[in-house]
Amino acid sequence: AQSVTQLGSHVSVSEGALVLLRCNYSSSVPPYLFWYVQYPNQGLQLLLKYTSAATLVKGINGFEAEFKKSETSFHLTKPSAHMSDAAEYFCAVSGNSGGSNYKLTFGKGTLLTVNP
Amino acid sequence: NAGVMQNPRHLVRRRGQEARLRCSPVKGHSHVYWYRQLPEEGLKFMVYLQKENIIDESGMPKERFSAEFPKEGPSILRIQQVVRGDSAAYFCASSPKDTSYGYTFGSGTRLTVV
Repeated sequence: AQSVTQLGSHVSVSEGALVLLRCNYSSSVPPYLFWYVQYPNQGLQLLLKYTSAATLVKGINGFEAEFKKSETSFHLTKPSAHMSDAAEYFCAVSGNSGGSNYKLTFGKGTLLTVNP
Repeated sequence: NAGVMQNPRHLVRRRGQEARLRCSPVKGHSHVYWYRQLPEEGLKFMVYLQKENIIDESGMPKERFSAEFPKEGPSILRIQQVVRGDSAAYFCASSPKDTSYGYTFGSGTRLTVV
């Protein structure tokens, strides 16, 4: 069984400030981990994914995330927030071998607000 | 090189009517997944289909909901006798293999039941 907890349903930062969105996961098998972004009334866009290669993963739009097995975390960061980063962000997990590795389990999402 | 196409984007149905949601996967992708997003919730897995086969429907409500992915044409998610609680965004994704690694999501269909 897998689960995802996103700490903070709403995060507000100033433009130019550090963005930190937290994600902790639970998985009985080695995981694949993902961050998706959803703009209002749109679909999900993949930001980045961890697939058991490098633990620091770089994604699009300047975002990156670090897989920490000991902490079961996969927090998303960006050094300097931009107004266009305002959106909802979802962390997701799946298994990476056998079984139901096709099935994504999502967190409830974090709404990021960027203030001018 | 079109992505996953879902239509309609918005669908309004009265209680008791049927809703049909369509999903055309990325060309060459033979694996289709449906997810539902309820208000203020993350996405929840509903069903996984390959051509002409339902592989995993563990997330589908037992009644009123059905899904298909025929040999020709798009995948269809069908909801019969809709109720207010069915109001949600329904997302389709496709992948070239049976893994979450290569998912591509569509823009979703937002169903409103009035």
